[in-house]
This record gives sequence, C-alpha cells and structure tokens, in this order.
Amino acid sequence: DTGVSQDPRHKITKRGQNVTFRCDPISEHNRLYWYRQTLGQGPEFLTYFQNEAQLEKSRLLSDRFSAERPKGSFSTLEIQRTEQGDSAMYLCASSLEGGGLYNEQFFGPGTRLTVL
Amino acid sequence: SQKIEQNSEALNIQEGKTATLTCNYTNYSPAYLQWYRQDPGRGPVFLLLIRENEKEKRKERLKVTFDTTLKQSLFHITASQPADSATYLCASADSWGKLQFGAGTQVVVTP
Repeated sequence: DTGVSQDPRHKITKRGQNVTFRCDPISEHNRLYWYRQTLGQGPEFLTYFQNEAQLEKSRLLSDRFSAERPKGSFSTLEIQRTEQGDSAMYLCASSLEGGGLYNEQFFGPGTRLTVL
Repeated sequence: SQKIEQNSEALNIQEGKTATLTCNYTNYSPAYLQWYRQDPGRGPVFLLLIRENEKEKRKERLKVTFDTTLKQSLFHITASQPADSATYLCASADSWGKLQFGAGTQVVVTP
C-alpha cells in the first residue's frame, strides 16, 4: 500500500504523559499536513511542512505540541503533558505542492488519542 | 475569518433518489472548494474540486456547483446507493493549500 500511513492507530494515555505520533506520507509528496478532528466536527488544521520546513502553525497548537519532519520524509507530532481536551483523532495528509489549493490531499487513517 | 458552514442535520434519503448537500462560506470567495467523503474511523477521501470560475463539475454520479453570488456550493449524489452512506465534508483552501473544513453532513441512504 503506497498511501499515507499513521502509527499508532490508537493511543490511550493518562493525563500528564507525553505522546508521539508518526506519519509516513506518500513518498513523492513534498507537503505534509497535520489536522485534529473531534466528534461531529470537521478536521482542524494544526500545522504543515513543505519538505523539512515547518511553514505554518495554527493558534490551536499550544506550546505543548511540537511537530517535526526531519529530512522531509516522515513526520512526528508530539504532545507533552497531555490534557483531557487533547483527546481527538489526529490526521495526517500529504500532497504535491499546492495540495489543497489545486491538488487533492491524501489522508492517513488517523491516530485516535484518548487521554484519561 | 472564513467560516465554512454545512448542514449539521443528517440527510436521510431513499436509494435511487438524489442527495443534495449545501456548503456556505461567509467571507471571501475561495479560489477552490473541495469535497471529501469520510467513513467512521477513517481519514477523509477526496472526491471533487471546483474552481471559483467553474460553475459545475461532474464525476460519475457526483456533481458539484459553485455560486459565488450566493457564497455557496452544492454537492449532489444522483441515483444514491446505500454504499454512499458517509459524512461529506466541504473544504476551502488558502493560497498555501491549507484546508479549512466544514463540520460535515452525514448522509444515510436506505434501501
């Protein structure tokens, strides 16, 4: 399967713990996006990369959130000191440059985070 | 800031009928609107993109329209099938390609 993959698919953690999610985009895609989705809502933009450069971060992304994309390939999203409000589905998407504007974004299956 | 509004009520429709979903935006006309399908527990899947200067776009049983006067896009599923049951998301893109989604409309097609 050459689609976008995310790991883990599910994560249950206790409040205050740190968690890290991984996203492997489609190999030739230079853009990578992270979104967060809560029940009954559409995905909300968190951050995105063009190659290894992080170009924009949403105001939703507090200082406890950090994302990286070393070498412009896979990406990680880390949440430190998790809170119950962080419980959500975290979606990764990738695209060729311009994706979303005139190219589709390809989404992974998501990582569902539950903070107890 | 831009808001994307979709009807939050589920659309229940009989198999074979046409489902019509509405997407309204509040401010500037986006250069592109995209429609995605999302099944429970899965990531969204791209369906159609329509440009600001296009009135209508079709793909198989799907049709999208874009009315900049009404600030609205309509999404139609013709000859609907139970397999079309899903949540349909409308999204606008900014110049960087970042998507802003509506909350989605759930479609339930009954045999």
